[in-house]
Amino acid sequence: EAGVAQSPRYKIIEKRQSVAFWCNPISGHATLYWYQQILGQGPKLLIQFQNNGVVDDSQLPKDRFSAERLKGVDSTLKIQPAKLEDSAVYLCASSRGLAGTDTQYFGPGTRLTVL
Amino acid sequence: AQSVTQLDSQVPVFEEAPVELRCNYSSSVSVYLFWYVQYPNQGLQLLLKYLSGSTLVESINGFEAEFNKSQTSFHLRKPSVHISDTAEYFCAVSDRDNDMRFGAGTRLTVKP
Repeated sequence: EAGVAQSPRYKIIEKRQSVAFWCNPISGHATLYWYQQILGQGPKLLIQFQNNGVVDDSQLPKDRFSAERLKGVDSTLKIQPAKLEDSAVYLCASSRGLAGTDTQYFGPGTRLTVL
Repeated sequence: AQSVTQLDSQVPVFEEAPVELRCNYSSSVSVYLFWYVQYPNQGLQLLLKYLSGSTLVESINGFEAEFNKSQTSFHLRKPSVHISDTAEYFCAVSDRDNDMRFGAGTRLTVKP
């Protein structure tokens, strides 16, 4: 079974530029998550999708961050415009469903550096 | 909402020594508890989890964790560590809606 795929693996941009990350979850997984992991901290949930609907985006900075999962499979996360404090690893995860007993499987992450 | 505290940011140990990585959580509802491991330049991998039943759970590579409801803890232990166990370990708590919260992580360094 293929794991969660993410691209790109690394991205360097200047502040005020835009950037987009892509995630392809494990086949058949209905639930998809985007996390932000700042150096020295644990991952923080940004947004959670169930199929193509948003379940929780309470921690997403909506003035600059957006995410979509149009066909209920892969997803993109966008930052526009980027700030220095957005430098972090962006992790995508997926699970079979919404239940707390459903294990979340993580992709390798995209390391973003904002200069 | 639930939260997790990992009491040690770094734990250095010598090879073949025992180790304990401490994790405490807070929640007003029933929770599920997880330990994830992140090896250098790799993604998070599930190490073990407690969902229900026996409070002692084990991983395939010799780690174990015990759910202690009265002390709201889920400490991770291994009786004898190897160099290959060097990694960052994250404790996480989730509720029934899979709203997962992570601790800040503990960096385990195993020295020869």
